[in-house]
Amino acid sequence: AQSVTQPDIHITVSEGASLELRCNYSYGATPYLFWYVQSPGQGLQLLLKYFSGDTLVQGIKGFEAEFKRSQSSFNLRKPSVHWSDAAEYFCAVGVNAGNMLTFGGGTRLMVKP
Amino acid sequence: DTGVSQNPRHKITKRGQNVTFRCDPISEHNRLYWYRQTLGQGPEFLTYFQNEAQLEKSRLLSDRFSAERPKGSFSTLEIQRTEQGDSAMYLCASSFVGADGYTFGSGTRLTVV
Repeated sequence: AQSVTQPDIHITVSEGASLELRCNYSYGATPYLFWYVQSPGQGLQLLLKYFSGDTLVQGIKGFEAEFKRSQSSFNLRKPSVHWSDAAEYFCAVGVNAGNMLTFGGGTRLMVKP
Repeated sequence: DTGVSQNPRHKITKRGQNVTFRCDPISEHNRLYWYRQTLGQGPEFLTYFQNEAQLEKSRLLSDRFSAERPKGSFSTLEIQRTEQGDSAMYLCASSFVGADGYTFGSGTRLTVV
């Protein structure tokens, strides 16, 4: 069975600083990988996804993520964080695009002014 | 297209009562998913439908839980004899078959007192 680990429960960055959120997965084959963002009391919004091809994927809101098979990682990055990026971020892995997803425990991002 | 709609947004119920939640997916989506999210955790898969057929159920879906999608459009999730451990956010999502990811609703927050 697949699993996802997000090692950082909380991260605080200053506005304008760069950001990297870590995600490690466990899955026997090439996974489908996703990053979602959740604001308080809301559902999840898809930031970006990786299925195959170029290992650096671009998403919405200026986010990108890089798939590294050798490290079983799919870290999320943003060069300059805005106060509106404060939220909870979830990494997820799927067997394919349409079936169940397994989510990590999430990383809560706080942004200092 | 108004996205995935979930009702009610909040539900407070006494232990032992039955509750039912409704999910209206994006109209042309034929897959519908239910997830549960407890405080501070990532969402956990419960079940999904393709049209009206329930194709997969998690072992988290005890016999007190039942989900239906009678006409392949909206879905209901019923919890019988609620327990305090059922307190959580219940998230619905929808997609096309083979689509690259799915769209979540804003969720129904259940509090069992």
